[in-house]
Amino acid sequence: EPEVTQTPSHQVTQMGQEVILRCVPISNHLYFYWYRQILGQKVEFLVSFYNNEISEKSEIFDDQFSVERPDGSNFTLKIRSTKLEDSAMYFCASMRGQSEKLFFGSGTQLSVL
Amino acid sequence: DQQVKQNSPSLSVQEGRISILNCDYTNSMFDYFLWYKKYPAEGPTFLISISSIKDKNEDGRFTVFLNKSAKHLSLHIVPSQPGDSAVYFCAATANTGNQFYFGTGTSLTVIP
Repeated sequence: EPEVTQTPSHQVTQMGQEVILRCVPISNHLYFYWYRQILGQKVEFLVSFYNNEISEKSEIFDDQFSVERPDGSNFTLKIRSTKLEDSAMYFCASMRGQSEKLFFGSGTQLSVL
Repeated sequence: DQQVKQNSPSLSVQEGRISILNCDYTNSMFDYFLWYKKYPAEGPTFLISISSIKDKNEDGRFTVFLNKSAKHLSLHIVPSQPGDSAVYFCAATANTGNQFYFGTGTSLTVIP
């Protein structure tokens, strides 16, 4: 079965540094998402992306965050200046069409020191 | 603003018995509901879904029930197996948007 691929699986960074989390969604999918889960808390929506632009974003997704689909396969999340509270598991997800199911990657564990 | 709620953080069930996981939502615009299963250090995997035009959907040992008037859905696992031990998330979305709202999860432990 096709799957969403995320790299790296773990990322450790110093506070204030920039990080880029990478995702390869399933090839025929049109909707792309980033979610995160802080340890012990709920899975939180960050942003959705469709037709080469952001379609929705949450309050968490402030100016420090950006997403890009630089080519036909990759979907990246950039955090410009990381904060301690950005430490979380970040999940990429994709969906073929609206009101279909989301497929998640295995996540990137981001630790900000 | 918790639009999807799972009020039981954990549940323990004996192997072979029924597991019932519950989920409540507040937004009447939600029309598609999903259950995901998550093992530690892995991403959530899709389990089963239900559209608001139905009140029940079954797939093998898994059945989801939807009560729209109560804004409540439940996932039944029968019979429960030790491999079912995981965290279960319910999620909801509205046809007017493409954002999925997740509950906080219920950790199910199936005791052999």
